[in-house]
Amino acid sequence: GQQVMQIPQYQHVQEGEDFTTYCNSSTTLSNIQWYKQRPGGHPVFLIQLVKSGEVKKQKRLTFQFGEAKKNSSLHITATQTTDVGTYFCAGHGTGGFKTIFGAGTRLFVKA
Amino acid sequence: DTEVTQTPKHLVMGMTNKKSLKCEQHMGHRAMYWYKQKAKKPPELMFVYSYEKLSINESVPSRFSPECPNSSLLNLHLHALQPEDSALYLCASSQDSFRVGYGYTFGSGTRLTVV
Repeated sequence: GQQVMQIPQYQHVQEGEDFTTYCNSSTTLSNIQWYKQRPGGHPVFLIQLVKSGEVKKQKRLTFQFGEAKKNSSLHITATQTTDVGTYFCAGHGTGGFKTIFGAGTRLFVKA
Repeated sequence: DTEVTQTPKHLVMGMTNKKSLKCEQHMGHRAMYWYKQKAKKPPELMFVYSYEKLSINESVPSRFSPECPNSSLLNLHLHALQPEDSALYLCASSQDSFRVGYGYTFGSGTRLTVV
């Protein structure tokens, strides 16, 4: 079945350093979504990418969707302590309407 | 109103109890979902309701019984649960489950402990 792999599992950074998490799907995706879950909280929708090669920015966050629509990345520039949490990618396969979540990347930011 | 409201926030129940989790949204979303999330794991899909009809059941044990009374409400009835069912139960909604392009709005969840 369809799988979405996400790396790294954990990332410890010093405040001000950059951070990137990567997602790879075993099959072509219709779209990919990114969510952030703060410790003790619930997932919050950040963004969705639909087009091949698409790049979107939200302030310090840059999201990319690969040309083959099988991979995606989230890059945070100059991390802040408010960026702490788990970042999940979630892929929507072609021909189906089930969203598959990656395992998530837990970001720790040291002040 | 851009929220999904879940009640209760915390629930402790015995293995012989019957309880229900409730979820409500007033965003006009036509798809609603139940997810189960264990600590340090991603949300795991349980059920999908689309236009008030059950469209996906991810082989969930019958001790979990979903119900969608109307387009704004989603319930999860619990009976004879096991300790390993202890988890965060998340409700989510989206505009439509059939068409791609809609992010999910999650509720804050019910943290369930089975004793």
